[in-house]
Amino acid sequence: DVKVTQSSRYLVKRTGEKVFLECVQDMDHENMFWYRQDPGLGLRLIYFSYDVKMKEKGDIPEGYSVSREKKERFSLILESASTNQTSMYLCASSPPPGSADTQYFGPGTRLTVL
Amino acid sequence: AQSVTQPDIHITVSEGASLELRCNYSYGATPYLFWYVQSPGQGLQLLLKYFSGDTLVQGIKGFEAEFKRSQSSFNLRKPSVHWSDAAEYFCAVGEIQGAQKLVFGQGTRLTINP
Repeated sequence: DVKVTQSSRYLVKRTGEKVFLECVQDMDHENMFWYRQDPGLGLRLIYFSYDVKMKEKGDIPEGYSVSREKKERFSLILESASTNQTSMYLCASSPPPGSADTQYFGPGTRLTVL
Repeated sequence: AQSVTQPDIHITVSEGASLELRCNYSYGATPYLFWYVQSPGQGLQLLLKYFSGDTLVQGIKGFEAEFKRSQSSFNLRKPSVHWSDAAEYFCAVGEIQGAQKLVFGQGTRLTINP
C-alpha cells in the first residue's frame, strides 16, 4: 500500500529556531512536494522536487528551504521560524507525468511557532 | 495561471440527503481534475480524478463528479450522505510540468446533521 510518512504530527517551536520537517515515501516516486494548509486558503505549494538533489520553488517559498539527498526523503527547513509560519504542513509524492496517477499525501505536521 | 474556486466555504446537509459541492477552474488546456477529502487530523485522500474520456467520473465512497468544459466546472455529488462524510473537501487542477503540480481550491467544509 502507498505510504507517505511525516516525522511528527505535532511540533512546537520558538521564534528564531531552525526547524526540520521530514517526509519519507516508500513508493519509489520521483516527485515530492511540500504544502502548507491554512484555513480559507486551501493548500499552497512551498517547494517541490522531481529528482534527487533537484528542487523547484512553488508559490510561497519565502522563509523555507528544502533538501532531497535520497529519493525517498524530502525535508522542509525553516531557517528561522516565525509566528506566521504556524500552520499545517503536508508532504506528498507522485510518480512521473504520464502515469495517469495523482499525488499521495502524508498525515501532516501541525507546527506551532511561539 | 490556473486557479480553482470552491464557492462554498461551509455546507451543512442532513444525513441521507443529496450533496453537491461546486468547483470551478481556470485553465487554458484540457485540465486534469481531482477531488480530495480530508478527515479531521488526517492527510488528503483521493476521491476521484478526471484525465480524459467519460465526463462522469465515479470515485470511492459513493461519490461521483461531472466535468463540464463549457462551464469550467467539476462538481462533486453524492446521492445520500452518511455521517462519516463530514470532512473537508478539496478540488484541484493539475498540470503536467515534470512534477504534476496541483493547484487547490480553498476547500469546502461539510457538516452532517443527524
